[in-house]
Amino acid sequence: GENVEQHPSTLSVQEGDSAVIKCTYSDSASNYFPWYKQELGKRPQLIIDIRSNVGEKKDQRIAVTLNKTAKHFSLHITETQPEDSAVYFCAAPGDTGNQFYFGTGTSLTVIP
Amino acid sequence: GAVVSQHPSWVICKSGTSVKIECRSLDFQATTMFWYRQFPKQSLMLMATSNEGSKATYEQGVEKDKFLINHASLTLSTLTVTSAHPEDSSFYICSARDLAGGIDEQFFGPGTRLTVL
Repeated sequence: GENVEQHPSTLSVQEGDSAVIKCTYSDSASNYFPWYKQELGKRPQLIIDIRSNVGEKKDQRIAVTLNKTAKHFSLHITETQPEDSAVYFCAAPGDTGNQFYFGTGTSLTVIP
Repeated sequence: GAVVSQHPSWVICKSGTSVKIECRSLDFQATTMFWYRQFPKQSLMLMATSNEGSKATYEQGVEKDKFLINHASLTLSTLTVTSAHPEDSSFYICSARDLAGGIDEQFFGPGTRLTVL
């Protein structure tokens, strides 16, 4: 299966600052990269995704960048708010393109 | 977005018994569903890919005889944890993709918290 690494495992930022989470993947054929936010005891929620034919995608305070050559993609959250505090996961597809493998997760804390 | 339901939301059972978890796609047909397990403060680990009308594809290290998967219809997949033991206690989450609709996104069920005493 796909090998997905995610850093950092924990991240604390002051409210209003930016947060960046990075992931690397191993399968060069991968073409779709989602990011999820998960609150305690809840299902993961898709917050943004990117396909391999673009290098960046933005949705209000959230952006994702993709570097296919280096096989890494990053989540950027600007103007962080306390409600952004949660665990964030990246994911990448496996060799069949159907299943997804998750990164190890980043616990984000936004300090008011 | 599409809706995936899961039942039960939580279950407590005695060691040695079997537990069945259902995953349903409510408003689309899912030829493929996925089962994940998540231990506390850890990531989602893909257990298996459930294929409608055929055998499931299990990830390395997942015992197919212990985690039985049946995908008998385009809207229902079941995961049965057989002879459950305390180490099987975990959060089990299913997901489904609307591949026929050409949608990349996978839609998650709300999860089932299994506690084995």
